[in-house]
This record gives sequence, structure tokens and C-alpha cells, in this order.
Amino acid sequence: EVQLVESGGGLVQPGGSLRVSCAASGFTFSGDWMSWVRQAPGKGLEWVANINEDGSDKYYLDSVKGRFTISRDNAKNSLYLQMNSLRVEDTAVYYCARGGHRWADYWGQGTLVTVSS
Amino acid sequence: DVVMTQSPLSLPVTLGQSASISCRSSQSLVYSDGNTYLYWFQQRPGQSPRRLIYHVSKRDSGVPDRFSGSGSGTDFTLKISRVEADDVGVYYCMQGTYWPGTFGQGTKVEIK
Repeated sequence: EVQLVESGGGLVQPGGSLRVSCAASGFTFSGDWMSWVRQAPGKGLEWVANINEDGSDKYYLDSVKGRFTISRDNAKNSLYLQMNSLRVEDTAVYYCARGGHRWADYWGQGTLVTVSS
Repeated sequence: DVVMTQSPLSLPVTLGQSASISCRSSQSLVYSDGNTYLYWFQQRPGQSPRRLIYHVSKRDSGVPDRFSGSGSGTDFTLKISRVEADDVGVYYCMQGTYWPGTFGQGTKVEIK
């Protein structure tokens, strides 16, 4: 059974940093693209970043370029999103998903990131 | 970015009746490989999104055949036949043909 478990969310001040993680199991992690998608409270869904199987190819939403970094550790079956220079508008539930934007079949339960002073 | 427009945004349905959600994209979703990367997701209250339909009309494993997708180019439809109480939630269309993948605003399905 495919499982994706996010962690690392929390409250951070504007301008601060946070790293969220996603632990994957039930599939060959190193064989799939992975993604981060976010959902602001009470709002719709927004694709944040994609990473290919070996981490050599990455895509970012324009509004997070230069601030967020997606990475993965295939030995640990884990996906990460390092978020720097956080803004109030980055407040959202962050979901990891298996596959890039052309697949995304399984999603985790999400982790809430709140940016507030 | 490709804009996905759903209608209606709210859809009250009687149990056992059918429901239909429309999704339009601002440009054709046919990719150079011939595939159309149009998806439908269901988000029940308090849950994460669940993919129901991929590539316009293919149902994901475990999805009841009451759910069907259709369309081509820029116009797509999700139909729910014989609506059940368990179908309550928000439904999103999503395009994956272009980066970034973009979602419709969501259609809230509720029982009358």
C-alpha cells in the first residue's frame, strides 16, 4: 500500500525558515517523480514544486523560486521542501504527492505551515 | 499559466440523482505525446485530495463506475451517477500538460 506521511509543519515568523518532510513507503520511491502541492486555509490547490527520480531535474512555482528548494534522499525514501524567506501568503497545508504534475496519483495527509508574527 | 474554470461552483444534488461538473481550460490540453493530462480529484471534508480520473476518462483503481470523465481539447466534464452521501465534498479538475499544473476553483457537491 502506498503511504506518504508529511511532517515538519508549524508556526514560523515572516522571513523565517522551515523544512517539511515526506516519508514514502509501499512503492519504489527512487522510480518516481515527486511533488509538493499546497492549499491555503479554505482555498484551492496550488502546485509548488516537482523533482525527478534522481533529483537532477526540478520545477518550481514562480512565486517560490529562489526561496524554496525541493530535494530527495532515495536511500531514506524521503522527500523534502526547504522553505526560506517565508511570507504570510505561504501559509497552507503542504501535501506531498507521488508523481509529477503529469501523474500525482497518491497524496499524503498534509502538514500545516503557518507564517505569522 | 493555464487557467482552469469550473462550473458550477456549488452543486446541491438529490440522493440517487446525477451530477455534472464542467471544466474549461484556457488552452488545449493535448500534449505533444498525444496524451491529454486532465485529471479529476475529490476532496472530502477534512481529507486530502484523492484522484478519481486521469487522462480525461480513465478511472483510478477503486473508484466506483458511477464516476465518469469525458471531453477533449479545452472542454471536460465529470459526471457522478446515482449520487450517494459519501460523494459530498469538493471536486477539482487539474491540468498537467503544462508547468505548473493548475487546478480549477473547485465545485462543492452537497446533498439537498
